[in-house]
Amino acid sequence: KQEVTQIPAALSVPEGENLVLNCSFTDSAIYNLQWFRQDPGKGLTSLLLIQSSQREQTSGRLNASLDKSSGRSTLYIAASQPGDSATYLCAVQGGSNYKLTFGKGTLLTVNP
Amino acid sequence: GAVVSQHPSRVICKSGTSVKIECRSLDFQATTMFWYRQFPKQSLMLMATSNEGSKATYEQGVEKDKFLINHASLTLSTLTVTSAHPEDSSFYICSASGSSGSRSEQYFGPGTRLTVT
Repeated sequence: KQEVTQIPAALSVPEGENLVLNCSFTDSAIYNLQWFRQDPGKGLTSLLLIQSSQREQTSGRLNASLDKSSGRSTLYIAASQPGDSATYLCAVQGGSNYKLTFGKGTLLTVNP
Repeated sequence: GAVVSQHPSRVICKSGTSVKIECRSLDFQATTMFWYRQFPKQSLMLMATSNEGSKATYEQGVEKDKFLINHASLTLSTLTVTSAHPEDSSFYICSASGSSGSRSEQYFGPGTRLTVT
């Protein structure tokens, strides 16, 4: 059974800092890995999707890496802003039914 | 593109009543739709997967007679919580995929907050 763990559970940083969020998964047989953002009481916003054959994806100030063999991914946020404050969720897709398995998320607070 | 809507965004109902939540793909045909539940400070848990025109596949531990899923068209899926109880209070989120087998990206709706009193 796939399990996804995100560390840290919560992170508070001053504005302008670069930061790294971590995600690990137990079963490396995945199709892809996705990072989402969730604001309080809201749905999910997809940030980056990395296919299993890829090593990283970039979008603006965000960079996500994937090491499938070790079951790890990182989300790097450069020059953080207060507007980046949200919960960041990592999810992997795999299995015969292409199921998405989510981690519990990292609650990020960027202080002005 | 790839917009998914949910209705209602919030609903409060009394214990024992039934509640229907709609999930619509607005600009693409959703061959497969998914329903998730999220409790406070927890991750999203997949409840069921539905393909248009066929019965939903429920995850282990999810009561199919309590959570009725209908996916009658390529743009609409509904989740009905029957005889709701306070423990069913949660955030329900749907997602949709445009390809059969759902290996492609899932697009998520904004969620529905259900409170059962």
